[in-house]
Amino acid sequence: AQRVTQPEKLLSVFKGAPVELKCNYSYSGSPELFWYVQYSRQRLQLLLRHISRESIKGFTADLNKGETSFHLKKPFAQEEDSAMYYCALMVGGFQKLVFGTGTRLLVSP
Amino acid sequence: GAGVSQTPSNKVTEKGKYVELRCDPISGHTALYWYRQSLGQGPEFLIYFQGTGAADDSGLPNDRFFAVRPEGSVSTLKIQRTERGDSAVYLCASSLWASGSADTQYFGPGTRLTVL
Repeated sequence: AQRVTQPEKLLSVFKGAPVELKCNYSYSGSPELFWYVQYSRQRLQLLLRHISRESIKGFTADLNKGETSFHLKKPFAQEEDSAMYYCALMVGGFQKLVFGTGTRLLVSP
Repeated sequence: GAGVSQTPSNKVTEKGKYVELRCDPISGHTALYWYRQSLGQGPEFLIYFQGTGAADDSGLPNDRFFAVRPEGSVSTLKIQRTERGDSAVYLCASSLWASGSADTQYFGPGTRLTVL
């Protein structure tokens, strides 16, 4: 069965520190993975997707099929990065997303 | 342009009542999705429409839940005989359809349903 695991409910760092939000997945097919972000009082929005291999707001994520991981990284966290981050797996065929439980990132000054 | 909109933003109802939640997708998006997000959880897939038809309703928890999209645009999620366990944020998303590729899903603000 397909599953996305985000082991950390909360990640608290200081401004300027590196950030890594962990995501592991379980899926027998070819995975398509996404990171969505939800800022306070805003709607869920796409941050990045692995197939585009782009960096958004300084965040990057590399798909590691051997470790079945798609960790989100940023070298220097900013206070405005504080938000809820969800890793999601797109299940092939009908394109539904399977989400992890989310990690709250708190960046302190 | 306008994003996905959902109405109402909040709905409080009593156990046993019937509720309807509405979603207006981005114009031109043929794919529409409903998700449910319970407290402390990520969104959970309910149903997916391609045009007017439900292509995948495997996530609907039981037959009290039903969704329609009669003209291929606006969709309504209907919940009969609501139960306290139905309390959650119901999210709608839409995307373009492109065969063989994963399209970005754009989410609405959600409807917070509270069943007393």
